[in-house]
Amino acid sequence: AQSVTQLDSHVSVSEGTPVLLRCNYSSSYSPSLFWYVQHPNKGLQLLLKYTSAATLVKGINGFEAEFKKSETSFHLTKPSAHMSDAAEYFCVVVWRAAGNKLTFGGGTRVLVKP
Amino acid sequence: DTGVSQDPRHKITKRGQNVTFRCDPISEHNRLYWYRQTLGQGPEFLTYFQNEAQLEKSRLLSDRFSAERPKGSFSTLEIQRTEQGDSAMYLCASSPMTVHYEQYFGPGTRLTVT
Repeated sequence: AQSVTQLDSHVSVSEGTPVLLRCNYSSSYSPSLFWYVQHPNKGLQLLLKYTSAATLVKGINGFEAEFKKSETSFHLTKPSAHMSDAAEYFCVVVWRAAGNKLTFGGGTRVLVKP
Repeated sequence: DTGVSQDPRHKITKRGQNVTFRCDPISEHNRLYWYRQTLGQGPEFLTYFQNEAQLEKSRLLSDRFSAERPKGSFSTLEIQRTEQGDSAMYLCASSPMTVHYEQYFGPGTRLTVT
């Protein structure tokens, strides 16, 4: 079965320190991978996407993610957290063979301490 | 604002009542998706349309749920005989034909069944 797992349900960082959100997927095929962010009372916003081009992907607000096929991972990082980064982050996988519907991980809630 | 809109944003209903939600996608997008998100979980796919055709339904979509997109523009999601387990955020997303894995989400409709 195809699935996506976010390894941490909660991450707490201090402002100005690095952020790492971990995501692994299971699939026999190379998927397209995304990270979405959800701020309270706001819609899901696309942070970045990987669609079989460069394995290091840069997104909005200083986030980036690296696709590692051998590890079936797509971890999200940011070198310096800002208070506005406090939100819930979802790793998302799309398998073209599955009709291009998004499959979401369980989410990681990020808390940023001043 | 030319993003995806959903109406209402919040709905409180009593168990057994019927409810209907509306989604207006980005105008040039021909694909429209419905997802459900329960507290502490990532969104789960319910169904999607390409123009007016409903192409796939998740097994999560019981017989009490029905979705339509009569003219290939806005869509409605109806839940009949609501149950407490239907309490969730219902999300709508749309995507263009050429980049259909890149979905843009609306703010969601939060349903509370009492």
